[in-house]
Amino acid sequence: KQEVTQIPAALSVPEGENLVLNCSFTDSAIYNLQWFRQDPGKGLTSLLLIQSSQREQTSGRLNASLDKSSGRSTLYIAASQPGDSATYLCAVFHAKFYFGTGTSLTVIP
Amino acid sequence: DTEVTQTPKHLVMGMTNKKSLKCEQHMGHRAMYWYKQKAKKPPELMFVYSYEKLSINESVPSRFSPECPNSSLLNLHLHALQPEDSALYLCASSREADRMYEKLFFGSGTQLSVL
Repeated sequence: KQEVTQIPAALSVPEGENLVLNCSFTDSAIYNLQWFRQDPGKGLTSLLLIQSSQREQTSGRLNASLDKSSGRSTLYIAASQPGDSATYLCAVFHAKFYFGTGTSLTVIP
Repeated sequence: DTEVTQTPKHLVMGMTNKKSLKCEQHMGHRAMYWYKQKAKKPPELMFVYSYEKLSINESVPSRFSPECPNSSLLNLHLHALQPEDSALYLCASSREADRMYEKLFFGSGTQLSVL
C-alpha cells in the first residue's frame, strides 16, 4: 500500500527566508504528484502538478521537484511571506490519490 | 469557472437527523469525489464517481449514502451519524478519474458537527 510522509510536520520561519518542504512515498509507480495548500477549515488549492516523466515544475516563487526512483519530492518556496502560512500537502496518484501527512508552515513577520 | 461549490459551509446535526451535503462543478469534469478530513490529518477518500457511476467506495459505513444525479452534481446523504463522524467533508473533481494528467480541484468543504 502506498504511504506518503511529509517532514517536517511543522515549520516556523522568519519572513523572507527560502524554505524546503519534503514529501516521500513508498511506491515509485506513480502517475503524478501534486502539491496542495490548505488554510485552516478550508478546502485544498492545487499549487503544482508534476507528471511522472517530469523532474520539476515552477510557478512564481514555488518550485517542485520529483525524483520518482528515490520516492521523493520537494517544494521550494522562495522569499517566504506571512501569506504563505498554511498547511502544505503532497499527493501522489496511481489509480487514486494518496495524501501525505502535511507540513504546517508559519511565516513570522 | 474553475470552482467547486459546496453547501452548506457548516452543519450541526443530531444523531437521529437526516441531512444532505451538496457539491456542484461546471468545469465539465467527469470524475467527482468525497473526502473526509479530521483536524490535522490528511483527507481520506470516501467515494469516487466516474461518468455518474460509483467507481470506488472505500468501505464507508452505510450511514453515508452518495448520489450523483448528473455530471455536475454530487450529493452525500447523511443518516444516523455518530459523533466521531464530525469532520470537514470535502468534494473534489477532475476531468477523468484514472488518467495520469489529472489535477484535483477541491471545494471549500462542509464542516460537520454531530451532537
